[in-house]
Amino acid sequence: TQLLEQSPQFLSIQEGENLTVYCNSSSVFSSLQWYRQEPGEGPVLLVTVVTGGEVKKLKRLTFQFGDARKDSSLHITAAQPGDTGLYLCAGALETSYDKVIFGPGTSLSVIP
Amino acid sequence: DAGVTQSPTHLIKTRGQQVTLRCSPKSGHDTVSWYQQALGQGPQFIFQYYEEEERQRGNFPDRFSGHQFPNYSSELNVNALLLGDSALYLCASSLETGSPYEQYFGPGTRLTVT
Repeated sequence: TQLLEQSPQFLSIQEGENLTVYCNSSSVFSSLQWYRQEPGEGPVLLVTVVTGGEVKKLKRLTFQFGDARKDSSLHITAAQPGDTGLYLCAGALETSYDKVIFGPGTSLSVIP
Repeated sequence: DAGVTQSPTHLIKTRGQQVTLRCSPKSGHDTVSWYQQALGQGPQFIFQYYEEEERQRGNFPDRFSGHQFPNYSSELNVNALLLGDSALYLCASSLETGSPYEQYFGPGTRLTVT
């Protein structure tokens, strides 16, 4: 059983479209991180959210942490081919903050 | 500023053999974590090293062991390889006095067990 679920598993959209991917859990996390991973490379940290209800923006990417700190979303505006990759959410449980748990990822493909 | 480096990049081993993977953390980082990423899945936490000791461990058998050296570099050893050990092995470094969640990953070592 995955502690962190991500949806959708796969997403293929046209350049210029908007999209939202979700990260959900029944557990409370002290923080959540979003990473992007390209084929053959390690994940690259995009953002960390810590406070329930927190919203962070990184250019065309908007990240939100749920009020109860059990879920998070990533919204991309006007997607570009360079956004293609595997988007991973990861969290540190309140009970074991040193151990980071990853979700299975959302594979995004942006078609020019 | 040197990022996280891992060696080798690719490795092919036979079932039953032993393998050692190496990681050098980002400059200034003192904590190293190892992850296993099977094809199409997210990374799974193996263990974390700080001050040359294993501090946290995920749900992996004792065949998986590690070591951290005084210069903070680290090794991951896997004994009695199984076909299911085929995966991308990722090393991530962080700073103990910084945010424990801000990890920097290396490019990984692709291990294939035949």
